[in-house]
Amino acid sequence: DSGVTQTPKHLITATGQRVTLRCSPRSGDLSVYWYQQSLDQGLQFLIQYYNGEERAKGNILERFSAQQFPDLHSELNLSSLELGDSALYFCASSTSVGQVYNEQFFGPGTRLTVL
Amino acid sequence: AQSVAQPEDQVNVAEGNPLTVKCTYSVSGNPYLFWYVQYPNRGLQFLLKYITGDNLVKGSYGFEAEFNKSQTSFHLKKPSALVSDSALYFCAVRDMKGNTPLVFGKGTRLSVIA
Repeated sequence: DSGVTQTPKHLITATGQRVTLRCSPRSGDLSVYWYQQSLDQGLQFLIQYYNGEERAKGNILERFSAQQFPDLHSELNLSSLELGDSALYFCASSTSVGQVYNEQFFGPGTRLTVL
Repeated sequence: AQSVAQPEDQVNVAEGNPLTVKCTYSVSGNPYLFWYVQYPNRGLQFLLKYITGDNLVKGSYGFEAEFNKSQTSFHLKKPSALVSDSALYFCAVRDMKGNTPLVFGKGTRLSVIA
């Protein structure tokens, strides 16, 4: 158990809908990262937050957004969903943003299925 | 731009034999290198990392990896494979400079056969 929690575990929805994925980082971790894992694209970095502020952006679509709240939990919002958005979405956390050699600890993921 | 290549989609090895999972990388500066393992229906678990110093890094579950700067490689190894090592293995790299994202390879599926 990494200490990172994600809810829900599974999500099934229809095209055009909007969903919210939730992540709670390990106790004490200030950085939260979101990744998308699909069979064809592998593991893709989406976005990073550090102590409530956006710090880095990856291959995140404009239909997707995220935020980190004062209690450090984070939410990833996916809107106008398309079939191609079906994937595993992982959250990871690490202790700080300055020490880039710190390993990230991954949650169990949310499996999103868009029908 | 950073990149990672894992040239083998699948590696098969007999239980008790040594295993190697290959990884090569490309960064503009010096790298931080990581190996993660993913078991079915689970998140990624950290195995080991190279930051600086000794080129041979030892990690969890008897795994080790050797950093080779001239060949820009960071191959994962284990002297004696177990059936329970069967999983998906990811190599990842991060440039030492700045807050660049961690870039993952496509993954290599390791199958250890009894």
